[in-house]
Amino acid sequence: DAKTTQPTSMDCAEGRAANLPCNHSTISGNEYVYWYRQIHSQGPQYIIHGLKNNETNEMASLIITEDRKSSTLILPHATLRDTAVYYCIVREGDDKIIFGKGTRLHILP
Amino acid sequence: GAVVSQHPSWVICKSGTSVKIECRSLDFQATTMFWYRQFPKQSLMLMATSNEGSKATYEQGVEKDKFLINHASLTLSTLTVTSAHPEDSSFYICSARPLRDNTGELFFGEGSRLTVL
Repeated sequence: DAKTTQPTSMDCAEGRAANLPCNHSTISGNEYVYWYRQIHSQGPQYIIHGLKNNETNEMASLIITEDRKSSTLILPHATLRDTAVYYCIVREGDDKIIFGKGTRLHILP
Repeated sequence: GAVVSQHPSWVICKSGTSVKIECRSLDFQATTMFWYRQFPKQSLMLMATSNEGSKATYEQGVEKDKFLINHASLTLSTLTVTSAHPEDSSFYICSARPLRDNTGELFFGEGSRLTVL
């Protein structure tokens, strides 16, 4: 079973920051937080991952709370191409990935 | 980034036939590959873990005789749906873990859509 809870869907205006929350209250010390997204009829795409510290790359930023029980994925300037299902995943090292239901993000023009 | 390719990207077959889907890591070696199935408007469901040179490990509820997995080399895993029926129609996706990589990142193929008539 997935170890995360995400809102079913969210809307965001184009050009604004999209903030996607994720709860993972049972996360253990060795488990990382990963984010993937899936654009319609494509394979999932890796976005970012982190353990404790906040992380940033060319796609997004990941903010992890100090107690690690929740995190937020931030897409700083959302575009229409960011419309996708976003999956927050908790896993240890190179464990298999178990997907939850994710958040369906709609970017509105 | 690393590329994982699936072939075919879509296939239509008659009920009762077998269909083979290939998953290749194009620019890296992968001892472990994973196979997922996704029905419309649902999430990805892990079917099995494919290990190079050994038998695949199937998730609970997945019939190993129905979904044959072969991982004969470090760059190729195949999934064969045997005696396919309409209920096997789905989007099949593979992912691969690079051999020498400690980031834990998995790379996904673009998926193969199977339609059984």
